[in-house]
Amino acid sequence: DIQMTQSPSSVSASVGDRVTITCRASQGISSWLAWYQQKPGKAPKLLIYAASSLQSGVPSRFSGSGSGTDFTLTISSLQPEDFATYYCQQANSFPPTFGQGTKLEIK
Amino acid sequence: EVQLVESGGGLVQPGGSLRLSCAASGFTFSDHYMDWVRQAPGKGLEWVGRTRNKANSYTTEYAASVKGRFTISRDDSKNSLYLQMNSLKTEDTAVYYCARVGHIAALDYWGQGTLVTVSS
Repeated sequence: DIQMTQSPSSVSASVGDRVTITCRASQGISSWLAWYQQKPGKAPKLLIYAASSLQSGVPSRFSGSGSGTDFTLTISSLQPEDFATYYCQQANSFPPTFGQGTKLEIK
Repeated sequence: EVQLVESGGGLVQPGGSLRLSCAASGFTFSDHYMDWVRQAPGKGLEWVGRTRNKANSYTTEYAASVKGRFTISRDDSKNSLYLQMNSLKTEDTAVYYCARVGHIAALDYWGQGTLVTVSS
């Protein structure tokens, strides 16, 4: 199985900050990577697919980049509603696997 | 509007069985692959399995942790997805989500989840 490792596991930031979360795959996955946001008690929500494509309806402050084994999710200017847990997921091969999550907290 | 609504969760004893359902609306269900994903309390996301569409012979894939115990099926005439869970273990305790497989195999819509608790 392909292992997905996110860093950091948690981060504290303030409204207006720029935040970057990284995701590393244990082997190359081309651009078969998605990013999800999950708030407590809610289902995950797709933010980015194909490593850098913004899902319809997602604010443009979210962006993704990378290919191969190293990927990033960037939030350009944090808003109060962005405090949540973020997961990356590889879709290159079975089984699809998720990173362990990055909890974004208010400083 | 795309909607996915899970049902069928509850408390079951170890070794027991449970069948989850996912009712889909707002899109052409028969065209899409569908996944089940679970989340144990306080933990991360774990992919459970996938069913492909009719064009791909409704083939299925499973995580190693559930293979041989869980079965995914679908009824396109009812816009419904199912997860039959047998020989349940305490470690199967989780919220189970159904999700639609979209572009580049990303999961673009999710249900609200249904909680399965396996305990004696």
